[in-house]
Amino acid sequence: DAKTTQPPSMDCAEGRAANLPCNHSTISGNEYVYWYRQIHSQGPQYIIHGLKNNETNEMASLIITEDRKSSTLILPHATLRDTAVYYCIGKAAGNKLTFGGGTRVLVKP
Amino acid sequence: GAVVSQHPSRVICKSGTSVKIECRSLDFQATTMFWYRQFPKQSLMLMATSNEGSKATYEQGVEKDKFLINHASLTLSTLTVTSAHPEDSSFYICSARDRGPGNGDTQYFGPGTRLTVL
Repeated sequence: DAKTTQPPSMDCAEGRAANLPCNHSTISGNEYVYWYRQIHSQGPQYIIHGLKNNETNEMASLIITEDRKSSTLILPHATLRDTAVYYCIGKAAGNKLTFGGGTRVLVKP
Repeated sequence: GAVVSQHPSRVICKSGTSVKIECRSLDFQATTMFWYRQFPKQSLMLMATSNEGSKATYEQGVEKDKFLINHASLTLSTLTVTSAHPEDSSFYICSARDRGPGNGDTQYFGPGTRLTVL
């Protein structure tokens, strides 16, 4: 599965949009980009996934570049409860999820 | 969304005893479940893949005789930590793969079980 690179940490302001970048320059054509987050002492929570097209659900939007080498997860209006570690994972169907270090996001009042 | 439960959420046991952790998919059937372990300030590490009706597949370095996995139904997988030792103390998390229509290949995670071995 594709290796992904994320900044180790970032801060964002409550009420503002949080834009979380992820590089996956070696992603192959059949690999999806998955985003999960883990709030302290809880199991990871599925956020969204996509292949080529941008995706949006009730939690977030996923913007994937045309060359698929990078993507951005957008939390439109960050709240304090969005403080968590966010994981970007490249995975083909049927393969295992492999977690990297993720981005530690701190939403500040 | 799909819900996965784990039981117990927290367990404390004495060294040398065995502990069983249950993972259930509550509103979907899961032919495949996964077991992860997470140490403090580290990321999740996959331990094994649990397949309904067949033997589990273990990741390199994970002792299959120590971490027994049983996936007897489409909604239940169990992980038994046998002869637990203090170094087995960790956060154990399961996930279940939902291959239902419209869900693609998404895995949903349980809330985790905190194991402390004294």
